Amino acid sequence: DIQMTQSPSSLSASVGDRVTITCRASQRIFKYLNWFQQKPGKAPKLLIYAASSLQSGVPSRFSGSGSGTDFTLTISSLQPEDFATYYCQQTYTTLLYTFGQGTKVEIK
Amino acid sequence: EVQLVQSGAEVKKPGESLKISCKGSGYSFTNYWIGWVRQMPGKGLEWMGVIHPDDSDTRYNPSFQGQVSISADKSISTAHLQWNTLKASDTAMYYCARLQAMEGYYSMDVWGQGTTVTVSS
Repeated sequence: DIQMTQSPSSLSASVGDRVTITCRASQRIFKYLNWFQQKPGKAPKLLIYAASSLQSGVPSRFSGSGSGTDFTLTISSLQPEDFATYYCQQTYTTLLYTFGQGTKVEIK
Repeated sequence: EVQLVQSGAEVKKPGESLKISCKGSGYSFTNYWIGWVRQMPGKGLEWMGVIHPDDSDTRYNPSFQGQVSISADKSISTAHLQWNTLKASDTAMYYCARLQAMEGYYSMDVWGQGTTVTVSS
């Protein structure tokens, strides 16, 4: 099984900060990597697919990068509505996808 | 509007059976895989499995194989997640989601609102 490890598990940041979350895969997954945002009591929301492609309707302050085993989600200027938990997900193994453990972004 | 609407919250006793549903609308239901995701209280997301509604091709995460059944009825654009014998450890939120394929990459672009399942004696 491919394991996905996110870091940090949580972080505190202020509005306007640049925030970076990292996701590492236990083996090469090329660009088969998605990022989701989840707010309390809500379903996850797709932000980034194929490592760096912005899902339609998602603000451009969100960006993704990486390939192989190391990936990054960046929020260029944190907004109040961005405080949430973020998950990466690999889609390399055919129809057997795994998520990272999540990164909680809290208000500083 | 493309949407997935899930059935309502359930409270069950250990040993009981349960079938929850996920109804798609606003798109061609038979053209997209539907996946199921578990989220236990206070925990992260877990991939359970997927089904293609057109031919009911189903793939399970080995961790869930034999514990649940995934099915679909394309005539009513609905996917199902079923348990024959519930356990307290099945208490969780369950989400269904559509898999879009963009440039050969799959992602879960539309999600249901979730179904809370509580199993308690």
